[in-house]
Amino acid sequence: AQSVTQPDIHITVSEGASLELRCNYSYGATPYLFWYVQSPGQGLQLLLKYFSGDTLVQGIKGFEAEFKRSQSSFNLRKPSVHWSDAAEYFCAALGAGSYQLTFGKGTKLSVIP
Amino acid sequence: GAVVSQHPSWVICKSGTSVKIECRSLDFQATTMFWYRQFPKQSLMLMATSNEGSKATYEQGVEKDKFLINHASLTLSTLTVTSAHPEDSSFYICSASAPGGTEAFFGQGTRLTVV
Repeated sequence: AQSVTQPDIHITVSEGASLELRCNYSYGATPYLFWYVQSPGQGLQLLLKYFSGDTLVQGIKGFEAEFKRSQSSFNLRKPSVHWSDAAEYFCAALGAGSYQLTFGKGTKLSVIP
Repeated sequence: GAVVSQHPSWVICKSGTSVKIECRSLDFQATTMFWYRQFPKQSLMLMATSNEGSKATYEQGVEKDKFLINHASLTLSTLTVTSAHPEDSSFYICSASAPGGTEAFFGQGTRLTVV
């Protein structure tokens, strides 16, 4: 079955520190991959997406993600975290020919001032 | 990016009443809209897929008679929670995709509290 796994439920980092949020997928073929951010009580905002081509994808708010086919991973990174980055982050995948996104369970990011 | 507007952003209703939530694509035509439910500290659970002009496709375990979905136009889908009960209290989020598009745009979400 198709699935998206985010191994870390909650991560706490200090402001200014680097960040990496993990995401693994299980699909028959490489899906389209997305990272979304959700602030409390809000909808989802797209940070970045990977369809094909360059495996290092740049997104908004200084985020980037690297697609690694050999590891079935699409980890999200940011070199220096800001307090405003505290939120819930969701990795999602879209299979070829499908309109239905499959979400990971999310990783809550807390930022220590 | 494209904008999806969801209304209301929050609603409190009495047990036994019905609540309608609207999802509009403001600057594109959405042939497909999705309705999700999110419990506190949980991920999004797909409830149903709504295609313009046809019946919605519900995920397993979702009561179609309780969660009525209408996708009457290319820019509007509605979710009606009928005879709401406290256990229906949740955060409901819609998303929309343009024809041939691979990106989903999300509404702001609706927090429903049934008292």
